[in-house]
Amino acid sequence: GQNIDQPTEMTATEGAIVQINCTYQTSGFNGLFWYQQHAGEAPTFLSYNVLDGLEEKGRFSSFLSRSKGYSYLLLKELQMKDSASYLCAVMDSNYQLIWGAGTKLIIKP
Amino acid sequence: DTAVSQTPKYLVTQMGNDKSIKCEQNLGHDTMYWYKQDSKKFLKIMFSYNNKELIINETVPNRFSPKSPDKAHLNLHINSLELGDSAVYFCASSQEQGTGANVLTFGAGSRLTVL
Repeated sequence: GQNIDQPTEMTATEGAIVQINCTYQTSGFNGLFWYQQHAGEAPTFLSYNVLDGLEEKGRFSSFLSRSKGYSYLLLKELQMKDSASYLCAVMDSNYQLIWGAGTKLIIKP
Repeated sequence: DTAVSQTPKYLVTQMGNDKSIKCEQNLGHDTMYWYKQDSKKFLKIMFSYNNKELIINETVPNRFSPKSPDKAHLNLHINSLELGDSAVYFCASSQEQGTGANVLTFGAGSRLTVL
C-alpha cells in the first residue's frame, strides 16, 4: 500500500529552527508537496520538490531524497504565526496525491 | 476576491437529511476536487472533475453525488446523512490534472456536523 509518515506533533521555540520529516512509500513518484494548514483554515501551498536536493524559499526550505523516500521541511527564525499543521503529500505514478496526516507544530515564546 | 469559495461554511443537520455544499473557483482552473478531512486530519480525495468530467471517484458511498454544471463550479450533494459524515469538506482547484507540479488551491472548508 501507499504510505506517508510524519510526526504527529512537534514543539519549538520562537526564533529557533525546526525540521519536520516526512517518509513515503508510494507507487511511483511525481513530486512531493508541503502545505501549511492553520487551525480551522484551508491548507495553503508551501513547496514542491521533484528532484533531489534543497529548495529554499525565504525562511522555509524543503529537501528531497528520492532514493531514501525522504523529505524534510526546515523552518528558520520561527515566529508565533508558524504554529500550524504541516502536511506532506506525494504525487504517485497516476498523478494522484497521497497525503500524510500532518505534523502539528507548536511554537512557544 | 476569493479564489475558491465554498458555502456554507458551517452546516449542522439531523441524521437522514439531504444537504448540499457549493463550490466556485475564479482562477480559470480546469480541475476541481472534493476532499474530506476527518477528526484525525487526514485529507482524503473524494472526487475530481476535469472540465466538467469526472476523473477520480474514490470509494465513497453513493449517497455522495458531485455535480459540475461548468468548469468553475463543483457542488457536492449528500443524501441520507449519517453520523460518520461529520467532517470538514474542502473544495480545491488546480490548473490541470496529470502533471507533477499540480498545486492545489483550497476553499476555506465546510464543517458538517450530523446530529
